[in-house]
Amino acid sequence: DAKTTQPTSMDCAEGRAANLPCNHSTISGNEYVYWYRQIHSQGPQYIIHGLKNNETNEMASLIITEDRKSSTLILPHATLRDTAVYYCIVMGSNYKLTFGKGTLLTVNP
Amino acid sequence: GAGVSQSPSNKVTEKGKDVELRCDPISGHTALYWYRQSLGQGLEFLIYFQGNSAPDKSGLPSDRFSAERTGGSVSTLTIQRTQQEDSAVYLCASSLWVSSYNSPLHFGNGTRLTVT
Repeated sequence: DAKTTQPTSMDCAEGRAANLPCNHSTISGNEYVYWYRQIHSQGPQYIIHGLKNNETNEMASLIITEDRKSSTLILPHATLRDTAVYYCIVMGSNYKLTFGKGTLLTVNP
Repeated sequence: GAGVSQSPSNKVTEKGKDVELRCDPISGHTALYWYRQSLGQGLEFLIYFQGNSAPDKSGLPSDRFSAERTGGSVSTLTIQRTQQEDSAVYLCASSLWVSSYNSPLHFGNGTRLTVT
């Protein structure tokens, strides 16, 4: 599975949009981009995934560039409860998920 | 609907004792996975089930670890003769299908195992 690169940490003001970037320049044509987050002492929470089109659900939006080498997770109105480590994963046929270091998003009041 | 449920949420055991960890997947999910996460570390794959079969047990750390799944639903992870290095959070996940790029894994909140 392709490797991903994410910033170590980001800050966001409560109520503002949080935009979390991810680079996956070695992604293959049939690999999906997945986003999970993990709040301390909880299991990883699935957020959203996509192949090449932008996706939106009740939690977030996922913007994938046309060349698919990078993506951005958007939390439109961040709340304090969105403070977590966010993981960008490229998933192919390998179900053995590998979480990197992720991005620690801190939402400030 | 209910998510993945794991029990117990916390387990403290003495070195050398056996423990059983339980996972109830999301109803209708055919695939079930066990991972573990040590303090400050990433996810470590242990085993997965497709239905009641476990095609890949390659992640089990030793023969002290075993898992079964019955009725295509509940799964139990058993650790015999526990050691201190077994201390970790054991996470269960389920998905509609296995080996599908388009089938997200949904995780439970884990069982925190502490071996004293």
